[in-house]
Amino acid sequence: DQQVKQNSPSLSVQEGRISILNCDYTNSMFDYFLWYKKYPAEGPTFLISISSIKDKNEDGRFTVFLNKSAKHLSLHIVPSQPGDSAVYFCAASARTSGTYKYIFGTGTRLKVLA
Amino acid sequence: NAGVTQTPKFRILKIGQSMTLQCTQDMNHNYMYWYRQDPGMGLKLIYYSVGAGITDKGEVPNGYNVSRSTTEDFPLRLELAAPSQTSVYFCASSLGYNSPLHFGNGTRLTVT
Repeated sequence: DQQVKQNSPSLSVQEGRISILNCDYTNSMFDYFLWYKKYPAEGPTFLISISSIKDKNEDGRFTVFLNKSAKHLSLHIVPSQPGDSAVYFCAASARTSGTYKYIFGTGTRLKVLA
Repeated sequence: NAGVTQTPKFRILKIGQSMTLQCTQDMNHNYMYWYRQDPGMGLKLIYYSVGAGITDKGEVPNGYNVSRSTTEDFPLRLELAAPSQTSVYFCASSLGYNSPLHFGNGTRLTVT
C-alpha cells in the first residue's frame, strides 16, 4: 500500500521556467511533509518542509503548497536552474504510538534544460 | 561538521554471508533510521530508533537486525545475505517530531 505517491517519474523544464513537482498521500494522519533532493551517489538532502497547520511555505526559489482536503502537495521551483536537475522525493510523517517515522514517495527525476 | 557517516561506501557479499553496515551521527539526535533504495524506487524504511535501547520495525524489516546501544551509533546487521538485499542503504537521523531527516551518503551493497 503506497501511502505517498509521486505519479510523474520524470519532468523536463526549460531553464528559467517554473518546475512543479506533485505528490499525493492517502493517510489523513500525516501532519508533516518534506521535500528532498537527491544527486547520484549522494544521500538525499533536505529542501523544505510544511506542517499540516499551514498551506504554504517558502524558502527562496522553493515553495511548497499543501492541500489537505485533496491530500496533495506540490513543490514549485522558480526560476529553475540546471543545478536543480536531480531526483526529488516527497515524504510524509505521522506521530503514532509515541513514535515518529517518515514515508517516502518513489521520486520524480527533474531535468532542467539550459 | 560530519553529520551522518556511513561505512563502508561499497560492499560485495556472497549469498549467505553476513555483514554490519555502520552508521554514526554527531548531532545528538535521538531518532535514527535505516532506509533502502532499490533502482527506480523510493526509500523504504527498514528499522528505526527513537533513542538508545529502543528500536522498532519499519516497512521492510525481514532479513535485518539493528541495535542502538548509544545515541550516536545505529548499526544494521544482515545475517544471511540474499540477492534481494542488493540495494543502496541510507542511514538518517532526526531531532524528533516535526524535524527533517539528515541522511548519510549511503552504502551500495551487492549480493551475488
